[in-house]
Amino acid sequence: NAGVTQTPKFQVLKTGQSMTLQCAQDMNHNSMYWYRQDPGMGLRLIYYSASEGTTDKGEVPNGYNVSRLNKREFSLRLESAAPSQTSVYFCASKTSDRAFVGHSNQPQHFGDGTRLSIL
Amino acid sequence: AQTVTQSQPEMSVQEAETVTLSCTYDTSENNYYLFWYKQPPSRQMILVIRQEAYKQQNATENRFSVNFQKAAKSFSLKISDSQLGDTAMYFCAFMKPPETSGSRLTFGEGTQLTVNP
Repeated sequence: NAGVTQTPKFQVLKTGQSMTLQCAQDMNHNSMYWYRQDPGMGLRLIYYSASEGTTDKGEVPNGYNVSRLNKREFSLRLESAAPSQTSVYFCASKTSDRAFVGHSNQPQHFGDGTRLSIL
Repeated sequence: AQTVTQSQPEMSVQEAETVTLSCTYDTSENNYYLFWYKQPPSRQMILVIRQEAYKQQNATENRFSVNFQKAAKSFSLKISDSQLGDTAMYFCAFMKPPETSGSRLTFGEGTQLTVNP
């Protein structure tokens, strides 16, 4: 099925280790996003990429880096993991502006999330 | 910056009854979009309903409807004839028009809804 694929689904790290979360979409979407979800705080935007070759900071970018490898892939890297980065991470992608304004189209399509625990 | 507030961390309802989830937001924009997402235990993010701010008519999708009060900056979700499968975390979300915002979504804190048999 077409959609947004995140790998891995679960990961446990030790403090100070590095890790890259992978995200790929096969819907030919231009924009891609990384969010983190923490209890009582909803989803918060870490970084986004409005188009291939561009990236911008979101609400909570500290401690993360991203790479828009090509139109399909948008990775999130933790260079030195900290316990405060324990969270569920979601990748999302967005259809074109013209398609979005159509009735009932989704603003963003989400992956199934990665649960990351840092000890 | 936009903010979205959901003041009800948890709610419960009996099967077949009606429940309303609250959401307020703060923005200086005149044109924007509002959404309700459902997140069941599977962690999937499922779009429930959307509302364009320029539309006065409240959106409805089967058993789900909204009460959009633009002046009050309020956007509540009503679930009628609640079903056990409605048990989930519900998020309210805000988005400025795509051409101005990079289509960034701002989410509320979430409301955990439990439907009891």
